[in-house]
Amino acid sequence: GEDVEQSLFLSVREGDSSVINCTYTDSSSTYLYWYKQEPGAGLQLLTYIFSNMDMKQDQRLTVLLNKKDKHLSLRIADTQTGDSAIYFCAEPYSGYALNFGKGTSLLVTP
Amino acid sequence: NAGVTQTPKFQVLKTGQSMTLQCAQDMNHEYMSWYRQDPGMGLRLIHYSVGAGITDQGEVPNGYNVSRSTTEDFPLRLLSAAPSQTSVYFCASRNTGGSSGYTFGSGTRLTVV
Repeated sequence: GEDVEQSLFLSVREGDSSVINCTYTDSSSTYLYWYKQEPGAGLQLLTYIFSNMDMKQDQRLTVLLNKKDKHLSLRIADTQTGDSAIYFCAEPYSGYALNFGKGTSLLVTP
Repeated sequence: NAGVTQTPKFQVLKTGQSMTLQCAQDMNHEYMSWYRQDPGMGLRLIHYSVGAGITDQGEVPNGYNVSRSTTEDFPLRLLSAAPSQTSVYFCASRNTGGSSGYTFGSGTRLTVV
């Protein structure tokens, strides 16, 4: 399928904000997802946004959606060392599975 | 509830051997799917199922078979393993409402030598 695009690496200082960007492919996507993967672990659903929303806030996480440009972003406020992980953007695949980006490795330094 | 359970966690196969990766969920989810994760490639969809008796191919189905005889189970079969199938395999499930997201198993790390 077409590629969901993400930058591969991001490094931030502890306490700063992190912004991870994603460009998805299917303009008819109903939900868009952010997953987190810690080293050696499975995938954990971080948050999701419905396509009729522009923004969703959940504690330290803010998701912005620009449907015109098919652009999704995840902002993590007050980034902590425990936030170091790989973050995946995902869109629906035929409505029944997921099409993932390659993931953004976030490194948080003290 | 156990969620999505994958077995085994680790497996080493010789080229040409066959095996089945097991996936079971106890959440009565209709949709189930299999992915492989390779370094720098993200997760790629192998096969998926929308319910018992119904399966379909994803992005990278070659070399893999699936079946869905019950709602709970969605095994992935490698008929003749190849070194290119060395990967981490994840199974996921979801109910029919998209807002709940997909629940993932903890993965199976497969090495084919």
